[in-house]
Amino acid sequence: SAVISQKPSRDICQRGTSLTIQCQVDSQVTMMFWYRQQPGQSLTLIATANQGSEATYESGFVIDKFPISRPNLTFSTLTVSNMSPEDSSIYLCSVGWSGSRWETQYFGPGTRLLVL
Amino acid sequence: AQRVTQPEKLLSVFKGAPVELKCNYSYSGSPELFWYVQYSRQRLQLLLRHISRESIKGFTADLNKGETSFHLKKPFAQEEDSAMYYCALKGAQKLVFGQGTRLTINP
Repeated sequence: SAVISQKPSRDICQRGTSLTIQCQVDSQVTMMFWYRQQPGQSLTLIATANQGSEATYESGFVIDKFPISRPNLTFSTLTVSNMSPEDSSIYLCSVGWSGSRWETQYFGPGTRLLVL
Repeated sequence: AQRVTQPEKLLSVFKGAPVELKCNYSYSGSPELFWYVQYSRQRLQLLLRHISRESIKGFTADLNKGETSFHLKKPFAQEEDSAMYYCALKGAQKLVFGQGTRLTINP
């Protein structure tokens, strides 16, 4: 498994502003993912953060709104840009290792975002 | 397309009673199924995965490809089992989650 931390743990932001969420892992991982969990909803994958290249976004999510960086194998950031109240959600970082039959994803504690 | 359905948003049982949380999936390939659990004020964590065929905290889940199901079962519920449970399907390196079932164990 891995120890995953996220910063900030929560924030309250004004509409039109941007927030960058950091995800730090205590060991090198192959895969890093960003999920959103809207109030009362399940988890939805936003994108896969690829080390050294552009992130792979899921349908309905675009780079201009959710730019992602992954400069190395232990760190990634997700920015929520030009926020609106509809972006109020929990944002979760997840990590995993590819190439193994026992591949499993582990989740960070989440960042709780409220946009006013 | 990948899809996971958990038909019960809420499930309430008494302590000591059997528990079954339902999960059905839709996937054209060979699926990998997981159950994740989120206890109050804790992060989402892996409970069990079908390929390991293990029992964790008394819970088991069997993959039934004919019925495309992966129901989670425990013969005798305990109060500490109260939590949110998510069934997840991995295909093409992507995890797709069901809507979740909130399980409450009454004393």
